[in-house]
Amino acid sequence: AQSVAQPEDQVNVAEGNPLTVKCTYSVSGNPYLFWYVQYPNRGLQFLLKYITGDNLVKGSYGFEAEFNKSQTSFHLKKPSALVSDSALYFCAVRDIRGAYKYIFGTGTRLKVLA
Amino acid sequence: DSGVTQTPKHLITATGQRVTLRCSPRSGDLSVYWYQQSLDQGLQFLIHYYNGEERAKGNILERFSAQQFPDLHSELNLSSLELGDSALYFCASEYTGELFFGEGSRLTVL
Repeated sequence: AQSVAQPEDQVNVAEGNPLTVKCTYSVSGNPYLFWYVQYPNRGLQFLLKYITGDNLVKGSYGFEAEFNKSQTSFHLKKPSALVSDSALYFCAVRDIRGAYKYIFGTGTRLKVLA
Repeated sequence: DSGVTQTPKHLITATGQRVTLRCSPRSGDLSVYWYQQSLDQGLQFLIHYYNGEERAKGNILERFSAQQFPDLHSELNLSSLELGDSALYFCASEYTGELFFGEGSRLTVL
């Protein structure tokens, strides 16, 4: 079965420092991977996706993610964190075999400290 | 604004009752996904409809059912409610591999 794992419940980083939110995946075949962000009392918002091509994917709000096939990882990164980046981040994988659905990780809460 | 509309935003009801949550996808989007978000279980996939047909089922309880109507809006019906059904219920529509989420319906079962 397709799945993603987010090993950290919370990540704390100082404003201006680089941030990384980790995600590993388990899929059969080529993975379709996504990152979403959820601000308090809001729905999830799309940040970026990896389908094929360059391993470094650029997305919204200055975020990027690095696809690493050998390590089955898709970590979310940003060179310089902002306090406004504080939110809940979800990694997701699309199951394209037969049933068509998106499986989300458990989420990582990012806290950027001023 | 994602363009996906969910009603009601908040709902408080008692155990054993039945509620209906409604979702209108973005104009032109044929897919509707339903998810349940609770504090201890993250975002759980419930069910996916495409143009009126059920495409995939996740961990959806037998007490829950859903459908998508000809105008593409969808309804999630939750019956015989239990305390553990208290959660945030999201729907999302899809376009070119990107999900657009509504603001959610917060259900509280007392």
